[in-house]
Amino acid sequence: EAGVTQSPTHLIKTRGQQATLRCSPISGHTSVYWYQQALGLGLQFLLWYDEGEERNRGNFPPRFSGRQFPNYSSELNVNALELEDSALYLCASSLSSSYNSPLHFGNGTRLTVT
Amino acid sequence: RKEVEQDPGPFNVPEGATVAFNCTYSNSASQSFFWYRQDCRKEPKLLMSVYSSGNEDGRFTAQLNRASQYISLLIRDSKLSDSATYLCVVNEYGNKLVFGAGTILRVKS
Repeated sequence: EAGVTQSPTHLIKTRGQQATLRCSPISGHTSVYWYQQALGLGLQFLLWYDEGEERNRGNFPPRFSGRQFPNYSSELNVNALELEDSALYLCASSLSSSYNSPLHFGNGTRLTVT
Repeated sequence: RKEVEQDPGPFNVPEGATVAFNCTYSNSASQSFFWYRQDCRKEPKLLMSVYSSGNEDGRFTAQLNRASQYISLLIRDSKLSDSATYLCVVNEYGNKLVFGAGTILRVKS
């Protein structure tokens, strides 16, 4: 069974540009989550999508947005990039939206803003 | 106060030792609890869910105390391969899974 896949693996952008990160969940998983892991910090919850809808959002500014497509894949967009957006962005999927459904993570996209 | 707090460690233990990690959470309405493991430069992976009655998976035992808002993980007979960062994870309302900053374990021969 293929795991969660993310692309690209690495992304280098300059301040002010936009970044688009992509995620394909495990087949059959309907929920997709996005997390930011900055260097030396823990995972910070960004967004949760389920059945194509944004269900919850972390404490991030509106320039962090995303969507979930009918095939349950997801896209994270970061507009007006700032230097502090440099981080590893992890996508995870779960089988259902149940509160006890564990997350399965992808390998992440490392975003560097210069 | 952080939503999920863990002792960052590192815990340096010899092979075969028993080691325990603790975690506290601030949201009393939290619904579910997990321990994840993250190896260096890798993605987090689920180690085990944590149930109110306590649960065991081989050498690993997890406990939850809802009254004290406290979660623990006990590792018996530590192996070199147990060296990793252990993340305490709490599912707050609305499937917002909050991760602790992690506890570093180093098992040495």
